[in-house]
Amino acid sequence: EAGVTQSPTHLIKTRGQQATLRCSPISGHTSVYWYQQALGLGLQFLLWYDEGEERNRGNFPPRFSGRQFPNYSSELNVNALELEDSALYLCANDRYSGANVLTFGAGSRLTVL
Amino acid sequence: AQSVSQHNHHVILSEAASLELGCNYSYGGTVNLFWYVQYPGQHLQLLLKYFSGDPLVKGIKGFEAEFIKSKFSFNLRKPSVQWSDTAEYFCAVRANQAGTALIFGKGTTLSVSS
Repeated sequence: EAGVTQSPTHLIKTRGQQATLRCSPISGHTSVYWYQQALGLGLQFLLWYDEGEERNRGNFPPRFSGRQFPNYSSELNVNALELEDSALYLCANDRYSGANVLTFGAGSRLTVL
Repeated sequence: AQSVSQHNHHVILSEAASLELGCNYSYGGTVNLFWYVQYPGQHLQLLLKYFSGDPLVKGIKGFEAEFIKSKFSFNLRKPSVQWSDTAEYFCAVRANQAGTALIFGKGTTLSVSS
């Protein structure tokens, strides 16, 4: 089966712009998680969507937002970009809500200049 | 809220050396515990997990981890590392409570020289 796919692979923006990242889940996986992997900070939890609803949110400002579509794909939006938003953004699925075993995509590398 | 602490930022070993990576979490209730690995140029993948039962769990590629509840620890071990174990290792914890997300530590980079 196809894995978790993310697009774009790389994205370069300037401060103040908006970035949109996309995630297509494995077929049948309903939960989508977003993580930010910044250098030296590990993976920081951003958002969790399940069945189209936001289930939980990490300690990030409101300019980080997202949504989940009826086909369970998801979008992460980052408004008013700041230099420290430069990071690898990872999307992950679990097979059903709360299953815990996450399958990760390759990530989208966002660079803010 | 739960948190995870990984003691070692960067570990350098020679092949055949033994490995132990420390992981401690903070949460007073029941937790599920994980180790994930990210090999160079590859996706993050699950190494092993603990949900309940035997506190010594075995994962892929000869790795194992021991859950010690009294110490809030879940250390990763391997008796003899190989060059191919060079990677970044992440400990993660999820409170066994509805609505909680998986929380990761900051990771440990393991470099194995041949």
